[in-house]
Amino acid sequence: DQQVKQNSPSLSVQEGRISILNCDYTNSMFDYFLWYKKYPAEGPTFLISISSIKDKNEDGRFTVFLNKSAKHLSLHIVPSQPGDSAVYFCAARLVYNQGGKLIFGQGTELSVKP
Amino acid sequence: NAGVTQTPKFRVLKTGQSMTLLCAQDMNHEYMYWYRQDPGMGLRLIHYSVGEGTTAKGEVPDGYNVSRLKKQNFLLGLESAAPSQTSVYFCASSYSDKDVYQETQYFGPGTRLLVL
Repeated sequence: DQQVKQNSPSLSVQEGRISILNCDYTNSMFDYFLWYKKYPAEGPTFLISISSIKDKNEDGRFTVFLNKSAKHLSLHIVPSQPGDSAVYFCAARLVYNQGGKLIFGQGTELSVKP
Repeated sequence: NAGVTQTPKFRVLKTGQSMTLLCAQDMNHEYMYWYRQDPGMGLRLIHYSVGEGTTAKGEVPDGYNVSRLKKQNFLLGLESAAPSQTSVYFCASSYSDKDVYQETQYFGPGTRLLVL
C-alpha cells in the first residue's frame, strides 16, 4: 500500500513558467514532509521541507504548500529553469518515527524546456 | 568533506553470487540507511541503523543483511543474489537531534547492480 503517492510520472514546462509538482499521502500521522531532487547518476539531494504545523514554506524559487485536510502537498517552482530538470521525490515522516525513517513517493520527472 | 560515499559504483553479478556494498560517511551522523530505487517504485528502505552496532529492518529487507560495526560505515550484503535484486542502491545518513526538527537525509551517489 503506497502511503505517499506522486501520480504524475512526468511533467513538461516551458522555461520561465511555473512548475507544480503534486504529492498525496494517506497516513494522517505524518508530521514532516520533504522534497528531494535527483539528477541522473547522482543521489537525491534535499530541496525543501515543511512541518505539519505549517501550510507553506518558501525558499527562493521553491515553495511547498501543505493541505492537511486534503492530505496533499505541492511543490511550486517559479520561475522554472532548464537546470531544474530532474526527478523530484516527496517524502514523509511518521510522528512516532524511530530512526528518522522516511517514506518516499514514486517520483515525478520534470523537464523544463528552453 | 566527502559526505556520503558508496563503493562500488557498478557491479554485475550472476544469480547466486554474493557481494557487499560499502557506504561511508564523514559527517559523524548517527543514522544510516540503505534504499533501493526501481522504476515506478520510488525509494524503498531496505535496512537502517540508529547507531553503531544496531540495525533494523525497513520496508523491503528480504534477501539483504547489514552491519554497522563502525559509526561511519554501513555495509549491505547480498548472500545469494537474485535477478529481482537488480536495482540502484542508495545509502543515506542523517544527524538527528531531538531539539532540532529537521532530519534531512544526505544521500550517496548510488551503486548500480545488475544480477544476471
